[in-house]
Amino acid sequence: SQTIHQWPATLVQPVGSPLSLECTVEGTSNPNLYWYRQAAGRGLQLLFYSIGIDQISSEVPQNLSASRPQDRQFILSSKKLLLSDSGFYLCAWTRRAARTDTQYFGPGTRLTVL
Amino acid sequence: AQKVTQAQTEISVVEKEDVTLDCVYETRDTTYYLFWYKQPPSGELVFLIRRNSFDEQNEISGRYSWNFQKSTSSFNFTITASQVVDSAVYFCALSEASGGSYIPTFGRGTSLIVHP
Repeated sequence: SQTIHQWPATLVQPVGSPLSLECTVEGTSNPNLYWYRQAAGRGLQLLFYSIGIDQISSEVPQNLSASRPQDRQFILSSKKLLLSDSGFYLCAWTRRAARTDTQYFGPGTRLTVL
Repeated sequence: AQKVTQAQTEISVVEKEDVTLDCVYETRDTTYYLFWYKQPPSGELVFLIRRNSFDEQNEISGRYSWNFQKSTSSFNFTITASQVVDSAVYFCALSEASGGSYIPTFGRGTSLIVHP
């Protein structure tokens, strides 16, 4: 069976510090991968998605970036965090080339920027 | 362009009441899929159901049931005899089969509070 992991679970960082959140999927190959952010208002905001290594699309222009160093690893980064980066970050995956497949979500990382 | 509307921002019920969460969608595609997710206070989104546009049969799973009506573009979710553990935010989502997007569209969610 497939499993998706995210770490860390919680993170408190000062403004201006760097960020690295990691997401890995087990039990599948060539997944589509997604990063979402959920602010206090509850809606899901898609940040990045990737349909393959070196194929990453950005949905929201801001100080975040994403990388996919391995097929089943997706990393969200920032060089300098802003207060507005606080939120709940969720990683999700679907099967490759399946536009309508079910998205399965990781447990999330709760980020607080002070 | 696809769109999902969950007009109910928050619903508050007392335990054992039945409750229906509304989901209305817009799409020009003839083949699409609809989803419901549950987000308990822990935060993880839990997949509940996936339904394709060609299957209008209602679905029942324990206390959960889903009513899909293409005529009104709705995919409503009913919880029978609600329990405190049902308290969560529920999201409806839509994915279109055609086009170049791998991105589903989510509604803004409905927060369900079940009081003991």
